[in-house]
Amino acid sequence: QKEVEQDPGPLSVPEGAIVSLNCTYSNSAFQYFMWYRQYSRKGPELLMYTYSSGNKEDGRFTAQVDKSSKYISLFIRDSQPSDSATYLCAMSASKAAGNKLTFGGGTRVLVKP
Amino acid sequence: GAVVSQHPSWVICKSGTSVKIECRSLDFQATTMFWYRQFPKQSLMLMATSNEGSKATYEQGVEKDKFLINHASLTLSTLTVTSAHPEDSSFYICSAADPGRYNEQFFGPGTRLTVL
Repeated sequence: QKEVEQDPGPLSVPEGAIVSLNCTYSNSAFQYFMWYRQYSRKGPELLMYTYSSGNKEDGRFTAQVDKSSKYISLFIRDSQPSDSATYLCAMSASKAAGNKLTFGGGTRVLVKP
Repeated sequence: GAVVSQHPSWVICKSGTSVKIECRSLDFQATTMFWYRQFPKQSLMLMATSNEGSKATYEQGVEKDKFLINHASLTLSTLTVTSAHPEDSSFYICSAADPGRYNEQFFGPGTRLTVL
């Protein structure tokens, strides 16, 4: 079993819909949770960063972390065709410089006009 | 801010040759950089952690003699794929930890390597 599980999709939604993404994990040491967006043949771009449990909102994006269930979510409101990309969750146990990120497999999202 | 560049963005080489990929942090100094490999429709696989002024730490299963990493300055890390073979063809991505932003990792745009 992988440390971080993420549905690969693809997830297809109409423009304007809410996109709901999630990851589950098994390592209770994870404290920092991130969501990255990756366009085809590009490097990942950090979207959201959350420490421990709770919610965080930034524009159209909302990240939720439930450490008791080992479950994190990302919601994208008013989705646009430009949101079509692969979304990767990532986690780490600390913020030390050498600390590794553990990635989920990524969910491919397609927003149809 | 927090920009990381990679060069080249795309390279084709013959089997048996060596290829060097550069990763630069353009607006911050990074004591730690990371090298990842990504196959089509798959997630990022960490290959090694690169520390300025010391030897890189390789992940299990990654051949250190094949993937040479040098982190000679606080803004530059290089990955050299030695004696490349077609199975080394992949998308290589680096990231750099920015100490000014709680060691958040910022990723480069990636380098696509094709070995013929």
